[in-house]
Parts: sequence; structure tokens; C-alpha cells
Amino acid sequence: GDSVTQMEGPVTLSEEAFLTINCTYTATGYPSLFWYVQYPGEGLQLLLKATKADDKGSNKGFEATYRKETTSFHLEKGSVQVSDSAVYFCALISSGSARQLTFGSGTQLTVLP
Amino acid sequence: EAGVVQSPRYKIIEKKQPVAFWCNPISGHNTLYWYLQNLGQGPELLIRYENEEAVDDSQLPKDRFSAERLKGVDSTLKIQPAELGDSAVYLCASSPDGTGAYEQYFGPGTRLTVT
Repeated sequence: GDSVTQMEGPVTLSEEAFLTINCTYTATGYPSLFWYVQYPGEGLQLLLKATKADDKGSNKGFEATYRKETTSFHLEKGSVQVSDSAVYFCALISSGSARQLTFGSGTQLTVLP
Repeated sequence: EAGVVQSPRYKIIEKKQPVAFWCNPISGHNTLYWYLQNLGQGPELLIRYENEEAVDDSQLPKDRFSAERLKGVDSTLKIQPAELGDSAVYLCASSPDGTGAYEQYFGPGTRLTVT
């Protein structure tokens, strides 16, 4: 079945540091890939997405590139801010799953001033 | 535009008691989802509705869980009786249409504690 593996957290960075959160997946067909973010006390928000190989999703300074050859969708940001502190979830919808999101276990990010 | 609304935000009950969660999706969204999120894990789908029809309830524990979406708008998820292991966050999400709808919009969740 479909699965998503994220790097384990928690991750603690200083403000303005470079961020990478690794995500790899296993899925049938050609999945669509997503990053969701969950701020404390809030629901999940879609951060970015990519629907086909080599697509780059980007939003709020975050980027992730759909790499089919390595089945990866790593999240990056060049300079993190304290306000980026949250839990980040990698997720996919495979072509055969009819809109069922499969999530990774989440990575807690804390950015210190 | 209002987001997905859930209530209550927090609920504490004793085991063997019933509990219900309510969700109002974004206006015009035909597809509604209920997810279970255990601590330190990603959400897992419980049930998906297209309008008032439950089109995927394969992961809903039907011995104690039930859900309804009578008029194809808001939805209720019920647990009866609750067990200690049901302590988790219950998330509701909605998406705009029934085909190729990749973006799901999540509510804030209901945090259930069973004592």
C-alpha cells in the first residue's frame, strides 16, 4: 500500500538557518504530493503541492521538488523564521486512491530567535 | 470565506460514555472527510462522504463508531461507547468537488480525552 516516510524530529534551528525536511514515498502509479503545516492549536493547512514529476511546489518561501527517480519530495526553506515553528506533514494521493490522503508521521520544527 | 468549523474543540469523557463531534464544511464543498490523528502521528482517514453518501468507510470501526451527513452539508461523528484508546484528535476536512479534488481544507479538530 501507499506510505510516506518523513525524517524524524524534532528539528530545532536558529532563525535564518536553512531548513530541509526529508520525505520519501511508496505509491502505485503517479501520486500527487503535498506538504501540510499544522501550527499549534490549529488544523492542517496546505503549504504546497506538486502533481507530476519534476514539478516544484512553492509557497511562503518553502519549496519542494517532485523527484520520481528517488521517490522523494523534500521540503526546503532558505531562511526560517520563528513563525515557521510548527509540525510539517508530507502526504500523497496516489492515482488509484480516489482522493485519500496518506500522511507521514510529521516533523516538529522549532525555530529559536 | 469561513473555514471548516468543528465543535467542540475539546472534550473529556469517562470510558464507556458516548460522545459526538460536529463538523460544518466550507460552503459548497461536496466532499467531507473525518480523520483520526493520534499523538505524534499523521491523520488517518475514517470516512469520506460525497454529498450525503458515505463512499469510503472501510477504516471506520463500525462496532462503536458511526457517522452521518443527512443533508449533504454538516456531519456528525459519534463514538459509543468510548474506550481509553479513542483519545486522539478528530479532524474534519472538506474539498470542493467529487472528482480530482486534491486540496483538502481542514478544521481545527476536536481533542478527545477518555479517562
